[in-house]
Amino acid sequence: AQTVTQSQPEMSVQEAETVTLSCTYDTSESDYYLFWYKQPPSRQMILVIRQEAYKQQNATENRFSVNFQKAAKSFSLKISDSQLGDAAMYFCAFLRNSNYQLIWGAGTKLIIKP
Amino acid sequence: GAGVSQSPSNKVTEKGKDVELRCDPISGHTALYWYRQSLGQGLEFLIYFQGNSAPDKSGLPSDRFSAERTGGSVSTLTIQRTQQEDSAVYLCASSFDGLGEDTQYFGPGTRLTVL
Repeated sequence: AQTVTQSQPEMSVQEAETVTLSCTYDTSESDYYLFWYKQPPSRQMILVIRQEAYKQQNATENRFSVNFQKAAKSFSLKISDSQLGDAAMYFCAFLRNSNYQLIWGAGTKLIIKP
Repeated sequence: GAGVSQSPSNKVTEKGKDVELRCDPISGHTALYWYRQSLGQGLEFLIYFQGNSAPDKSGLPSDRFSAERTGGSVSTLTIQRTQQEDSAVYLCASSFDGLGEDTQYFGPGTRLTVL
């Protein structure tokens, strides 16, 4: 069975600095997708970034980028130039190809200090 | 266009009562998902609808939980004889066709409190 582990229950960063959130997963599959979702206090789960396992290039979306290490089964999220609006719970999720059940980590609470 | 909407936003009920939670997916999305999020936890898959296919109910925690999707659009999650352990946020998501590369878009959730 697939599992997703986020080892950091909470992280804090100074505004404008860079922070990295960790995620590891366990699977025997070779073809899958990885996601980072953000959940602010409004509860709405918002997609931050996604990575296809067959792509070696790390995904980037503006200030958000990932470090995808397939052999190590690691998928960390880097947030550059942190902003107050980045404060939220961040969830890492795994999706096996040809399936639809997202497997979720327990989340990391990100605090931005002004 | 409009995103996924859910109602009610919050629901407080007494133990033993039945509740219905509603989800309106994004127009044109054929796949619909229900998840449960307990306090401080990640999401737990409940049920998946794809077009006219039989739903995948493998995540429903007990036979007190059921869901239907009418006309391939609106979905209702029903919890019968609610228990205190049912208290959680219930999130609905939809996606274009439910394939692996598809992105799931989430609604704001319904916070259910069972007293």
